[in-house]
Amino acid sequence: KQEVTQIPAALSVPEGENLVLNCSFTDSAIYNLQWFRQDPGKGLTSLLLIQSSQREQTSGRLNASLDKSSGRSTLYIAASQPGDSATYLCAVTGGGNKLTFGTGTQLKVEL
Amino acid sequence: NAGVMQNPRHLVRRRGQEARLRCSPMKGHSHVYWYRQLPEEGLKFMVYLQKENIIDESGMPKERFSAEFPKEGPSILRIQQVVRGDSAAYFCASSQDRRNTGELFFGEGSRLTVL
Repeated sequence: KQEVTQIPAALSVPEGENLVLNCSFTDSAIYNLQWFRQDPGKGLTSLLLIQSSQREQTSGRLNASLDKSSGRSTLYIAASQPGDSATYLCAVTGGGNKLTFGTGTQLKVEL
Repeated sequence: NAGVMQNPRHLVRRRGQEARLRCSPMKGHSHVYWYRQLPEEGLKFMVYLQKENIIDESGMPKERFSAEFPKEGPSILRIQQVVRGDSAAYFCASSQDRRNTGELFFGEGSRLTVL
């Protein structure tokens, strides 16, 4: 059974700081890994999707890496801004297009 | 092109009542997934449906929960005789096909509170 763990559970940083969020998964038989953003009371917004054959994906200030063999992924956020404050979820795709989610990292970027 | 629409956004029920949550997938999408997010927990897969068919219900509780996706109209997640432990956010997602792309589009969720 796939299990996804995210560390840390919560993080508070001053504006402008670079930060790294971590995700690990127990079963390397995945099709892809995805990072989502969830704002309070809202749905999920997909940020980056890395195929199992890829090592990383970049979008603006975000960079996600994937080491499938070791079951790890990181989300790097450069020059953080208060608007980045949200919960970040990591999810892996298994058979049947089924996503297994981590419990998330709650990020707060302070002025 | 409207996104995934869920309603109601918030629902309050007393113990023993029924809750019905509706989900209209994105236009052109015929695959619907329901996920539940309990307080302080991650999203958990519940059920995957295609029009008029349940494809995978491995995450559905064995009792009181049912889901359907009729030929016409939205997908419905039905919870009978609700209990306090059913209080959660229920998210619906849709996709265009069943390839393992992970490309699901999520609605904003329905938040159920059981008093």
